[in-house]
Amino acid sequence: DTGVSQNPRHKITKRGQNVTFRCDPISEHNRLYWYRQTLGQGPEFLTYFQNEAQLEKSRLLSDRFSAERPKGSFSTLEIQRTEQGDSAMYLCASSLTGLEQYFGPGTRLTVT
Amino acid sequence: AQSVTQLDSHVSVSEGTPVLLRCNYSSSYSPSLFWYVQHPNKGLQLLLKYTSAATLVKGINGFEAEFKKSETSFHLTKPSAHMSDAAEYFCVVSDRGSSGSARQLTFGSGTQLTVLP
Repeated sequence: DTGVSQNPRHKITKRGQNVTFRCDPISEHNRLYWYRQTLGQGPEFLTYFQNEAQLEKSRLLSDRFSAERPKGSFSTLEIQRTEQGDSAMYLCASSLTGLEQYFGPGTRLTVT
Repeated sequence: AQSVTQLDSHVSVSEGTPVLLRCNYSSSYSPSLFWYVQHPNKGLQLLLKYTSAATLVKGINGFEAEFKKSETSFHLTKPSAHMSDAAEYFCVVSDRGSSGSARQLTFGSGTQLTVLP
C-alpha cells in the first residue's frame, strides 16, 4: 500500500500524559499537513510542512501542541500534558502540488 | 478568510433517486473547491475538485459538481443514489495561510447522506 499511513490508529491516555503520533506520507510528496477532527465536525487545519520546513503553525491549538518533520519524510505530532478536550481524530495528509491532498486513516485519541 | 457552509447536516434519499448536497462558499480570491467523502472507519477520499477550469466538474463514482460564481455555490449531485454512497460528505475550499504559500484546506461541517433501500 502506497498511501498515507498513521500510527498508532488508536491511543488511549490519561490526562496529563504526553502523546506522540506518527505520519508517513506518500513517498514523493514534499508537503505534509496535520488536521484535527472532532465528533460531528469537519477536519480543522493545524500545521503544514514543505520538506522539513514548518511553514504554517499559527493554527496549532496551543503551545502544548508541536510537530516535526526532521528529514522531510515522516512527521510527528506531539501533545504535551493532554487534556480531555484533546480527544479527537488527528489526520495527516500529504500532497505533491499543495492542491490535492491525500489523507491517512487518522489516529483516534481518547484522553481519560 | 475563506469558509464553506454546508446547508444540510443530513440528507436521506431512496436508492435510485437523485442526490443533491448543497454547499456555499466565501472567498476573497478565486477559490479552489473540493468535495471529499468519508466512509465510517475509513480515511477521507477526494471525490472531485474545481480549480478555475470547467465549471462543471465530474468526479468518481458518478458524482459531479457545478461551480456557480454568481451564487457562490458548489453543489454536489449524482443522478442515481447507490447504497454504497451512504457516507459523510465534506465541501472544502483551499486558501493560503499567513505564510502565503500553504494551501490549507477549510472544511465544511459535513453532510451525512443516508440511502434508503
